[in-house]
Amino acid sequence: KAGVTQTPRYLIKTRGQQVTLSCSPISGHRSVSWYQQTPGQGLQFLFEYFSETQRNKGNFPGRFSGRQFSNSRSEMNVSTLELGDSALYLCASSSFEGQPQHFGDGTRLSIL
Amino acid sequence: AQSVAQPEDQVNVAEGNPLTVKCTYSVSGNPYLFWYVQYPNRGLQFLLKYITGDNLVKGSYGFEAEFNKSQTSFHLKKPSALVSDSALYFCAVRDNSGNTPLVFGKGTRLSVIA
Repeated sequence: KAGVTQTPRYLIKTRGQQVTLSCSPISGHRSVSWYQQTPGQGLQFLFEYFSETQRNKGNFPGRFSGRQFSNSRSEMNVSTLELGDSALYLCASSSFEGQPQHFGDGTRLSIL
Repeated sequence: AQSVAQPEDQVNVAEGNPLTVKCTYSVSGNPYLFWYVQYPNRGLQFLLKYITGDNLVKGSYGFEAEFNKSQTSFHLKKPSALVSDSALYFCAVRDNSGNTPLVFGKGTRLSVIA
């Protein structure tokens, strides 16, 4: 079974731009979560989607948004990028909340 | 609000010795508990979980963890450490309501010295 696929793996943007990150979950998984990982803050929860509905949202500004499509694929968008948005963005999928989340290798976003 | 504490930023252990990585949690209701490992430039890999049942949970690569409800702990253990176990370890918790996200600890870096 293919794992969670995140594209692109690396991305370089400049301040003020916007970016869209993509996540394809494991086949059959309907829950997708997004996390931001930085050395200083660790793993911070961004969003959780289940069957196209946002179930939970972390404490991030409105510049961070996401969505999930009918095939369970998910995208995350960050607008008006700031230097502090430089991070590893991780996507994880699971079949339902009692089951472990399976992570992709992330998208490393660098803001210049 | 639910939370996870990993009190040690770094754990050093000699190869062949037993290892323990500590985790305590706070959650309303019954917990779902998980351990993950992260290698450089990779995502997190699932090691083991506690949902219900036996307090001693066995997982991948010889790791195990013991759920202790009275101490709200879920420490990760391995009887004999390998150099290849050196990585960043995360403990995570969510309650069983389905209404709250998975919350991670800050991680513990394990170094196994040959």
